[in-house]
Amino acid sequence: DAGITQSPRHKVTETGTPVTLRCHQTENHRYMYWYRQDPGHGLRLIHYSYGVKDTDKGEVSDGYSVSRSKTEDFLLTLESATSSQTSVYFCAISALAGGTDTQYFGPGTRLTVL
Amino acid sequence: QKEVEQNSGPLSVPEGAIASLNCTYSDRGSQSFFWYRQYSGKSPELIMSIYSNGDKEDGRFTAQLNKASQYVSLLIRDSQPSDSATYLCAVIDTGANSKLTFGKGITLSVRP
Repeated sequence: DAGITQSPRHKVTETGTPVTLRCHQTENHRYMYWYRQDPGHGLRLIHYSYGVKDTDKGEVSDGYSVSRSKTEDFLLTLESATSSQTSVYFCAISALAGGTDTQYFGPGTRLTVL
Repeated sequence: QKEVEQNSGPLSVPEGAIASLNCTYSDRGSQSFFWYRQYSGKSPELIMSIYSNGDKEDGRFTAQLNKASQYVSLLIRDSQPSDSATYLCAVIDTGANSKLTFGKGITLSVRP
């Protein structure tokens, strides 16, 4: 499972509240990613990190921010949650496998915004 | 905008048959291609990767890549009910940072 954990695994919150999701890895991987998965849209990249304090936007970054103060932790924050952010959120790391970078996923967080 | 397209599903095959899953991609410079399997309520799990034109076999799974046609496929031989899942095709971006672009996935159902 590439040593990836996500917390919380499930969360229900109300519109307008801040929410922070945590991704933790134990194997010192440099690259980490946050995706959301919605029916009909597949997996879409929100933000990614290529090192401590080094982050960049993905395809669907509006309404989200990230931080990475330690190699092992990558945080995703919804500053003011909206119902359109109800989704399943996956964290991933990139590791070298068979000579190329390969992504492995955490167990996911199911977020419901009421 | 880089695109990865998977043929629309769902796909239903009888147990023991060959399931054929197809994927096309728009970025001609792409070099690495992946198939993930995702069971309902679970996270994507890597099952195959392929980088060179031709076939790559791993047990009952065969990945096929044709870079000239920008086409990658996954064959599942002797399909089992346990293969019932959503299969995601992914292509690594030609830029830096190992970003992946995913197709929307196709749901496979194997009938006993």
